[in-house]
Amino acid sequence: GAVVSQHPSWVICKSGTSVKIECRSLDFQATTMFWYRQFPKQSLMLMATSNEGSKATYEQGVEKDKFLINHASLTLSTLTVTSAHPEDSSFYICSARYRDVSGNTIYFGEGSWLTVV
Amino acid sequence: DQQVKQNSPSLSVQEGRISILNCDYTNSMFDYFLWYKKYPAEGPTFLISISSIKDKNEDGRFTVFLNKSAKHLSLHIVPSQPGDSAVYFCAARPNNAGNMLTFGGGTRLMVKP
Repeated sequence: GAVVSQHPSWVICKSGTSVKIECRSLDFQATTMFWYRQFPKQSLMLMATSNEGSKATYEQGVEKDKFLINHASLTLSTLTVTSAHPEDSSFYICSARYRDVSGNTIYFGEGSWLTVV
Repeated sequence: DQQVKQNSPSLSVQEGRISILNCDYTNSMFDYFLWYKKYPAEGPTFLISISSIKDKNEDGRFTVFLNKSAKHLSLHIVPSQPGDSAVYFCAARPNNAGNMLTFGGGTRLMVKP
């Protein structure tokens, strides 16, 4: 199946600093990517929809100035957590839409663990 | 308001038996449903999907059933294997929102050898 890769897998940063997480579709072009967040033992919550060449669409309650999303190319979307705080510590997952013969399938990246200390 | 619900947080099944994971939804605009398998600290892995125009889709050991009138879908795994032990999420997509997925809370499946 299609491959979506995230980097880094694990990151620890100091409170107040910014962290960038990359999401790449390795073998297909993705005009739309999605960023999710998962707290321990909870479901995945959609944060924003990343659109290539345009501004991201954020879900209600997600601070767009804190979670900066850039989708500069058809294979790369980045999520930057600015001025990170310990409560931002979470598992961040991206996904991308892959158009195959059966229609559209969403493939997910491996996820990125962010720990803010 | 949870639009997609998985009421069983966990399920334990003996190896070789059938695992049935259930999912209910409330939004009648959902027209495409997917099941994902997830291990800790990893991204979800796509398993199987079903369009609202169908009531069944089968792929190997995995079969998804959709009952639109009841707004209910289920994932059957048969025979269950220890490697199937993971958290399973059902997800739904409305027909007017691109490919944004709404996820259920997940069900942790444990297959005992």
